[in-house]
Amino acid sequence: DAKTTQPNSMESNEEEPVHLPCNHSTISGTDYIHWYRQLPSQGPEYVIHGLTSNVNNRMASLAIAEDRKSSTLILHRATLRDAAVYYCILKDRDQGAQKLVFGQGTRLTINP
Amino acid sequence: GAVVSQHPSRVICKSGTSVKIECRSLDFQATTMFWYRQFPKQSLMLMATSNEGSKATYEQGVEKDKFLINHASLTLSTLTVTSAHPEDSSFYICSVGWASNSYNSPLHFGNGTRLTVT
Repeated sequence: DAKTTQPNSMESNEEEPVHLPCNHSTISGTDYIHWYRQLPSQGPEYVIHGLTSNVNNRMASLAIAEDRKSSTLILHRATLRDAAVYYCILKDRDQGAQKLVFGQGTRLTINP
Repeated sequence: GAVVSQHPSRVICKSGTSVKIECRSLDFQATTMFWYRQFPKQSLMLMATSNEGSKATYEQGVEKDKFLINHASLTLSTLTVTSAHPEDSSFYICSVGWASNSYNSPLHFGNGTRLTVT
C-alpha cells in the first residue's frame, strides 16, 4: 500500500472545526482513502473513506484534492470526545486482503 | 452495539507463562481476522492474519511459535502468547472485516487486551 504523511500532532478548541491533513503523493488510481481513529486505550474505529469525491457522514467529512495527492478529514464541531489519534490509510481496491497498515497518525488534542 | 468482542481486556502474567486472548465476531461469520500489537506511544503493527480452518499468515519478524493463532470457527480467533517475557508486554488488538475481499467495507476492531508480563 502507498504511504501517507500526517502531522504528528494537532490541537484545537472545543466546538470549533478541525481540519486534519494527509498527504499521499504516491496514491494509485485504485487506492481508497480511509480514516480511522483510536481513542485512548481502545481499538481503532472507522471514521470515513472515499475514492475521488468528497464524502460526508455523521462523524466527519472527507475532502479529497482533485489530483488525489492529499485529503483532509474535517470534524465540523470538535468535542472533548474527539481527542484521539487519527490515521489516514490507503487501501488498494484490487487487493483482497483487508488488513490495514497503520502509519503514525495525528494525535489530536481538544482544549475545553 | 459492539461488532467485535475481545477478552480479556487486561491480563497480568508471570514471565514464562502463556496467555490466551480471544477475539469474537459477534454479528457475522468472519473467515479472516487480523492481530495487531501496539507498544506505548507507537502505532499499530500487524502481527498476523488469522484464517478460519487453515494456518495463520505471519508478518515478517513475528515468531509463529511464540504467537500461536487458532481460528477454529467463523466467530472465534485466539492468540496465545507462549512463554511470555516482559518485552511481550503490549496492547494486542484484533480486527474483523465485514465481508471477504471487500475494499469498500470498514474494518471493525476489538477494544484490545493490555498484557503485562512481570
